[in-house]
Amino acid sequence: EAGVTQFPSHSVIEKGQTVTLRCDPISGHDNLYWYRRVMGKEIKFLLHFVKESKQDESGMPNNRFLAERTGGTYSTLKVQPAELEDSGVYFCASSRELNEKLFFGSGTQLSVL
Amino acid sequence: QKEVEQNSGPLSVPEGAIASLNCTYSDRVSQSFFWYRQYSGKSPELIMSIYSNGDKEDGRFTAQLNKASQYVSLLIRDSQPSDSATYLCAVMNNAGNMLTFGGGTRLMVKP
Repeated sequence: EAGVTQFPSHSVIEKGQTVTLRCDPISGHDNLYWYRRVMGKEIKFLLHFVKESKQDESGMPNNRFLAERTGGTYSTLKVQPAELEDSGVYFCASSRELNEKLFFGSGTQLSVL
Repeated sequence: QKEVEQNSGPLSVPEGAIASLNCTYSDRVSQSFFWYRQYSGKSPELIMSIYSNGDKEDGRFTAQLNKASQYVSLLIRDSQPSDSATYLCAVMNNAGNMLTFGGGTRLMVKP
């Protein structure tokens, strides 16, 4: 069974540019989550999809972040325009059901210069 | 006060010893608790989940939960150098859709 895959693994952009991160969850997992870890801080929840619907966006920091999951398969997280404080590791995770084991991807290391 | 607290370490133990990792949480109504292991540059990997007070054993790992004290721990018996990693404590919210993580404890097992 393929795991959660994320692309790219690393991204270096300048402040003000746009970056789009992609996550492919495990096949059959309706629940998809985005988390991020900024330098020196804990991993923090960003949002949760059930299929193509956003169930919980309470962790999204501001309206520069836009997440989509068209068709309920892969998801994208766009940051536009990127700011210095957006630097960190963005993790995607998926699960078959709620309150179940989350499988994490290896993350995208985003550096905003 | 942080919602989930862990000692950042590093916790250094000799090979073959028991490593004891601790975690406290602030939300008294929490019901689901998880321990993840993360090697540097890799994804967090679930190693234990626990939902009831008491101990839960899986191989060399034992998770302990005390809801009255709001305390979760992970014991690793016969520690191996390959156990050297950061161990993350995570608490699930009651909706079952959001994990709150501690900052992680770095464990170093010395040969």
